[in-house]
Amino acid sequence: GENVEQHPSTLSVQEGDSAVIKCTYSDSASNYFPWYKQELGKGPQLIIDIRSNVGEKKDQRIAVTLNKTAKHFSLHITETQPEDSAVYFCAAGGAGNQFYFGTGTSLTVIP
Amino acid sequence: ETGVTQSPTHLIKTRGQQVTLRCSSQSGHNTVSWYQQALGQGPQFIFQYYREEENGRGNFPPRFSGLQFPNYSSELNVNALELDDSALYLCASSLDPSGGVKETQYFGPGTRLLVL
Repeated sequence: GENVEQHPSTLSVQEGDSAVIKCTYSDSASNYFPWYKQELGKGPQLIIDIRSNVGEKKDQRIAVTLNKTAKHFSLHITETQPEDSAVYFCAAGGAGNQFYFGTGTSLTVIP
Repeated sequence: ETGVTQSPTHLIKTRGQQVTLRCSSQSGHNTVSWYQQALGQGPQFIFQYYREEENGRGNFPPRFSGLQFPNYSSELNVNALELDDSALYLCASSLDPSGGVKETQYFGPGTRLLVL
């Protein structure tokens, strides 16, 4: 089955700086890659997603890039704010019905 | 907010007991997936329900079972609870998975289960 690895596990940045979280996947059949933000005591919230026919997607301060050849995708958050502090999960979905999640990155934005 | 609701929010059970968790999907969504999220880990897929039938299952034993109702709401049942079943249980709703396109899954707030 699919194996998704996520790095780093923790990340601290100064407010206003950029944050980058990277994920790799193993199954070349995976074709959909969502990113979720999970705040304490809440369920994961979709923040951006990308499909395998696109190399990059941007939504205001958040962008995701996908390299299908290398089987890796990354989340980029620019101009970070304290409210960006949360745990971020990448996921990969393919031919089956499930998503495979990474182990999460705990992002802390220091005011 | 996604519109996916789950109940109860918290639950404490003892080993060997049975538990039922409930999920109401987002309006317009006919598919529900259940995930187990252990502390400090990413969600792990338990199973998916579509048209009231199981439509894919992860690596979980048969004591994890589910139901989907005609209104697309769903239940997760766990029998013979073990200590390792302590986790956050998440349901996610999505659109029809039969079109060949991977559909986005929207998560509820989860049910925190503690097994003593």
